[in-house]
This record gives sequence, structure tokens and C-alpha cells, in this order.
Amino acid sequence: GNSVTQMEGPVTLSEEAFLTINCTYTATGYPSLFWYVQYPGEGLQLLLKATKADDKGSNKGFEATYRKETTSFHLEKGSVQVSDSAVYFCALSDTGANSKLTFGKGITLSVRP
Amino acid sequence: SQTIHQWPATLVQPVGSPLSLECTVEGTSNPNLYWYRQAAGRGLQLLFYSVGIGQISSEVPQNLSASRPQDRQFILSSKKLLLSDSGFYLCAWSVRREDTQYFGPGTRLTVL
Repeated sequence: GNSVTQMEGPVTLSEEAFLTINCTYTATGYPSLFWYVQYPGEGLQLLLKATKADDKGSNKGFEATYRKETTSFHLEKGSVQVSDSAVYFCALSDTGANSKLTFGKGITLSVRP
Repeated sequence: SQTIHQWPATLVQPVGSPLSLECTVEGTSNPNLYWYRQAAGRGLQLLFYSVGIGQISSEVPQNLSASRPQDRQFILSSKKLLLSDSGFYLCAWSVRREDTQYFGPGTRLTVL
């Protein structure tokens, strides 16, 4: 079955540091890949997505590239801010009509001023 | 634009009491609907999903149930809550046959 593996956390960075959060996946077919962000006490927000190999999703300074050869979708940001402190989830979609998502365990990012 | 509502926002219930959480979506028709649970320090667990009125698929056997009495209304219920039912419950929707899900604000349930 499908699965998503995220790097172990938590991650603590200083403001303006470079961020990489690793995500690898196992899937049949050609799923879409997603990054969701969850701020404290809130629901999940879609951060970015990519629907096919070599697509790059980007939003709010975050980027991730769909790498089929390495089955990866690593999240990067060149300069993090305190406001980026949140939990980040990598996910992939089933290719069926029910649009089910498989999520990674999530990783907590804390950014120090 | 589409919006998704969940209520209540927080709930504290005794063990053995019933539960009813409600989710409604505005601004779209025939959505797929989903219930997830997020236990403390853990990831998201898909509990139920629905592709139409009265159509419910269960992902995890447990003492919870779901119903979809109207196109844009999704209800999560239990007859008798367990301590292990505590967690953050999230409702989500997607456009039929599209894969992006959009989440509600969640309900924090504490069972004592």
C-alpha cells in the first residue's frame, strides 16, 4: 500500500536559517504529492502540491520538487521566520475517485528569533 | 468561495457519554467528505470518508460512526465514549474526483 515517511523531529532553527524537511514515499501509479501546515490549535492548511514528476510546488517562500527517481518531495525554504513555526505534513493521494490522502507523521518546526 | 465549519470547537465529555460532532461545507456541491483523528503527538488517522449522501466508508473499526444526512453535512457520533477517543478531530472536503483536501478548524475532544 501507499506510505509516506518524514524525517524525525522536532526541528529547531534560528530565524533566517535554511530549512529542509525530508519526505519520501511509496506508491503505486502516479500520485499527487502535498505539503500541509498546521499552526497551533488549528486545522491543516494546504501549503503546496505537485501533480507529476519534476513539478515544483511553491508558496510563501516554500518549495518542493516531485522527484520520481528518488521517490521524494523534500520541503525547502531559504530563510525561515518565527511565524513559520508549525507542524508540517507530507502527503500523497490515492489515484482512485475517493481522493484519499496518506499522510506522514508530521514534523514540528520551531523557529527562534 | 468555499468554507468548512466544525462545531463545537472544544468538548469535554465523561467516559460512557454519547458524542456528536458536526461538519458542514458551504459553497460547493457533491463534495467528498472526510473525518480524521489526530491523537496527541501522532499523525492523522483517517476514520471515515463519504462520496455521497448516505454513503459512508469506514477505515478503522472502533466505537465511532459517521453519517451524511445532507449533501454538505457530515456527522461523527459515538454511543459511549472511551478515554482513547480523546484527540483532535478534523473534517475535510474535496471536489469530487480531485485530490486536494481542505480542512476545517477542528474539534478538540477530551474524554475524562
